[in-house]
Amino acid sequence: EAGVVQSPRYKIIEKKQPVAFWCNPISGHNTLYWYRQNLGQGPELLIRYENEEAVDDSQLPKDRFSAERLKGVDSTLKIQPAELGDSAVYLCASSLEDRVAYEQYFGPGTRLTVT
Amino acid sequence: DAKTTQPPSMDCAEGRAANLPCNHSTISGNEYVYWYRQIHSQGPQYIIHGLKNNETNEMASLIITEDRKSSTLILPHATLRDTAVYYCIEGTGANNLFFGTGTRLTVIP
Repeated sequence: EAGVVQSPRYKIIEKKQPVAFWCNPISGHNTLYWYRQNLGQGPELLIRYENEEAVDDSQLPKDRFSAERLKGVDSTLKIQPAELGDSAVYLCASSLEDRVAYEQYFGPGTRLTVT
Repeated sequence: DAKTTQPPSMDCAEGRAANLPCNHSTISGNEYVYWYRQIHSQGPQYIIHGLKNNETNEMASLIITEDRKSSTLILPHATLRDTAVYYCIEGTGANNLFFGTGTRLTVIP
């Protein structure tokens, strides 16, 4: 079974430029998550989708970040404009919420460097 | 803020059992204990979870105290590939997972 796919793996941009990350979850997984991980810290949730609906975007900086999940499958996370503090690893995860407790499967992440 | 408490780092000799402790004194009755690990430059990987009974799978064993205020993840025969950051997380399926900073386990040859 293919895992969660993310692209690109690495991205270097100058501040004030836009950037987008793409995620393809595991087939059949209805829930998709975007996390941000700063150096030396654990991942922090940005947004959670159940099918096409964003059910928790409370931690998403909405002035510059946006996300979408078309047809309840792939998802894109965008930053516009990027700031120096946005340098981090952006992780996508998916899960199948078919029982009370379930695991999340993570992609390899996109390492963003803003210069 | 993190709801679980873990030591920041631990060492373990290769081939020996690695016992990683976690305190979760505020865990609710319907919250599970999850363990994930993150190997350098990879995304987190699910290891195991439990509610109140001890659990075992092909990767590890999870021992939860009777009062559920703490747990221990056991890697029975640690290898160099087990070197990673291990996260102990409490939550329900409907709640978002809060990772904290975890325990950095170094397996020493």
